This record gives sequence, structure tokens and C-alpha cells, in this order.
Amino acid sequence: GAVVSQHPSWVICKSGTSVKIECRSLDFQATTMFWYRQFPKQSLMLMATSNEGSKATYEQGVEKDKFLINHASLTLSTLTVTSAHPEDSSFYICSADEGVSYTDTQYFGPGTRLTVL
Amino acid sequence: DAKTTQPPSMDCAEGRAANLPCNHSTISGNEYVYWYRQIHSQGPQYIIHGLKNNETNEMASLIITEDRKSSTLILPHATLRDTAVYYCIVRVLGDKIIFGKGTRLHILP
Repeated sequence: GAVVSQHPSWVICKSGTSVKIECRSLDFQATTMFWYRQFPKQSLMLMATSNEGSKATYEQGVEKDKFLINHASLTLSTLTVTSAHPEDSSFYICSADEGVSYTDTQYFGPGTRLTVL
Repeated sequence: DAKTTQPPSMDCAEGRAANLPCNHSTISGNEYVYWYRQIHSQGPQYIIHGLKNNETNEMASLIITEDRKSSTLILPHATLRDTAVYYCIVRVLGDKIIFGKGTRLHILP
């Protein structure tokens, strides 16, 4: 299957700093990418939908000024957590949509664990 | 909100078939049934999907009832590496995925 990578796999930062997480589709082009976060023992929660060349669409309750999403190319989307605080500590996961067809499937990255001290 | 209902947890003996049920009684005609699984501290892994016919691949089989209101994911010979949370999702092609709580499958040695 298609491969999606994330970088970094884990990051520790101080409160008040910003952290950027990259999501790349390695062997296919993805016009749409999605960002999720997951707290311990909970399910994945969709944060936003990222479309190449346009502004991201955020889910209700997600602060767009805090979670900046940039989808600059068909293989790269970035999530920047601005002015991070301990409550932002979570597992952040991206997925990439390979396109609309019968085989349309979203492939997920391995996740990035963010710890804010 | 998730459109599916799954049991919170299940046990299966190693080497036996694991049958994971899913109810999706409000599924629309253009919605597919997808299954993903998430092994601890990893991203979800695609398993299989189908519209109305039964499907099989190298990982699993998907059985969808004739009225499409429920389905079963079958792992034919479960191993310890199949221990994970399994998510049943209904979605239109190209649409976002909304995860429910899934089924935590424990494979017993």
C-alpha cells in the first residue's frame, strides 16, 4: 500500500514555543490530507482537512490560529502548533487521500507524539 | 458522530478466526464500509473496504449483510500481532473519516 511519513516521530518542547510537524505522501500525490489528534485511551479526533493550494477546513472546536496547517504541495502538509501548552500534548496523526476511485483509501502516517513541558 | 456501533472489546484465541461485528443501520446507498486497525502507538492501518459484495484480501475478509445494515470483519487465523483496536467506518469515497470508539481485540496465546 501507499506510504505516508511523519516527521518528527516525537518531540518535546517548552511551553510557549511552536512546533512544526510534517506529513508526506511518499509514493503518491495527495490533493487532500487530514490531521487528527489522539489523547491516551481515546479514539482519533479529526482536527482539519487540508487541500493543496487552499486554506484548511477546521472541525468545530479546533482553533485555526493555534493549529496552522499548510498544504504547499501534493506530497507535503505541515501542522504547526503555535504557543504550545501542556494540554496540547497528544499524539498527532496525518492521513493522505490517494484520490477518488473504487480504490480510494486514506493512508495514515505513523504519528508524532508531542510532549509540552 | 460515528455512524457505526461496535463492541468495546473482544477476545480471540491465537490461531482461531476473529470475527468482529459492526452495525451501521443508517448507512446510505453511496457509503462504503471501511475497516482500519490501530496497533498501540502507531497510525491506523487500512485493512479492507466494500460496498455491498463480500470482499477478501491478504489480510482479512469483509462480509456485508444483504440489507447492508451490518458487517463482519474476519481475520482467518489470528496471531498475537493482530492485537489492536479495530475501527469500522462508513464513508462516501473521498470523504473525511470519522472514527468511533472501535473494538479492542485481544489475541490470547
